Amino acid sequence: GAVVSQHPSWVICKSGTSVKIECRSLDFQATTMFWYRQFPKQSLMLMATSNEGSKATYEQGVEKDKFLINHASLTLSTLTVTSAHPEDSSFYICSARVTSNQPQHFGDGTRLSIL
Amino acid sequence: AQKVTQAQTEISVVEKEDVTLDCVYETRDTTYYLFWYKQPPSGELVFLIRRNSFDEQNEISGRYSWNFQKSTSSFNFTITASQVVDSAVYFCALMNSGGYQKVTFGIGTKLQVIP
Repeated sequence: GAVVSQHPSWVICKSGTSVKIECRSLDFQATTMFWYRQFPKQSLMLMATSNEGSKATYEQGVEKDKFLINHASLTLSTLTVTSAHPEDSSFYICSARVTSNQPQHFGDGTRLSIL
Repeated sequence: AQKVTQAQTEISVVEKEDVTLDCVYETRDTTYYLFWYKQPPSGELVFLIRRNSFDEQNEISGRYSWNFQKSTSSFNFTITASQVVDSAVYFCALMNSGGYQKVTFGIGTKLQVIP
């Protein structure tokens, strides 16, 4: 149980395009989903926390207009990287949890490469 | 402020050796949760264990065991009789129990098990 699916797993696109990443909880309803970014050989950095039906809470330094997060249902959250540039290239990983105090379950991540 | 320190950035062991991954944390909260996650080369994060701050009982799951010592703010992870499949980056994480419930990850320890 507690499976989180993330799609796509790998994206290569040109600078200036927008990229949408989906995060789905397959066998549970996730009241809260999280989006992380991980640079090579570094730890996970929380970008934002999204609660179903409300606006995401962004961490300091993360541009809200650059990284659009939508959590329209209890099983789906999306992250859209708008007008992506090479410096946005990274590994993006989402997680979801059922209720507070429960562990987060992670998707498989999305490797984003902007040319 | 929360902080998780994994002092060992990389460890190499020969197959069948035991290995302990260290984790030291800092928090002002009296109630909190500690986690270990495994990130194999494929990138996904696999949940291994959750421990709350009131439960100092050590836990064993197969070849894995965890030693939680509140007095030294440590939550160490031991793999007994290591196997090549254990090669991965292991993250220790801390979550406060109230309010925002943000998870703070350590930088990770890369474990390489040599056949």
